[in-house]
Amino acid sequence: DVKVTQSSRYLVKRTGEKVFLECVQDMDHENMFWYRQDPGLGLRLIYFSYDVKMKEKGDIPEGYSVSREKKERFSLILESASTNQTSMYLCASSPGQGGSPLHFGNGTRLTVT
Amino acid sequence: DQQVKQNSPSLSVQEGRISILNCDYTNSMFDYFLWYKKYPAEGPTFLISISSIKDKNEDGRFTVFLNKSAKHLSLHIVPSQPGDSAVYFCAAIITTEGASKLTFGTGTRLQVTL
Repeated sequence: DVKVTQSSRYLVKRTGEKVFLECVQDMDHENMFWYRQDPGLGLRLIYFSYDVKMKEKGDIPEGYSVSREKKERFSLILESASTNQTSMYLCASSPGQGGSPLHFGNGTRLTVT
Repeated sequence: DQQVKQNSPSLSVQEGRISILNCDYTNSMFDYFLWYKKYPAEGPTFLISISSIKDKNEDGRFTVFLNKSAKHLSLHIVPSQPGDSAVYFCAAIITTEGASKLTFGTGTRLQVTL
């Protein structure tokens, strides 16, 4: 069974802090994704990666960056956290074929004060 | 620009009856559709999918219908059970773009009552 693990369930950070959200998957999947979930807005794609050291912007990349140095690990970085980045962050992975379902982690609820 | 829309934010259904969740899309390039279910404090889990070459896919109590001309899909749950109470997201992909980049709807919260 695919396991996607997000390192923190809850995080509280201050405005202006640099924040790292970590995600690890154990199924050797090529693709990894970061989404955020907000009430009334559903899940929105921030960044994704289809290979090590490769990254692509999603629909809302502003204020975020990512790092994928190893196949199993995909990090989301908030360079300078702001209150409008308070959200539920969801990491996902999938095999390389288009149309394969995503497997999600349990999410990190980030609060920026 | 919301390319995948779920116009009902919530739905309440009695146990044993049918639940029908609806989803509309605007991008005619979408060729694969999925439904995910999400419980509080958990990540979404894949439920059922359908390719644009089909108009129906069934898996146990769950059936997804696709009407390409109307750009509409629906998820039917029969019979509904209390454990089905969750938020349901529909999602769409353009498979030729490769990396399973899903576009999600805003979700419908289903409450199955006793």
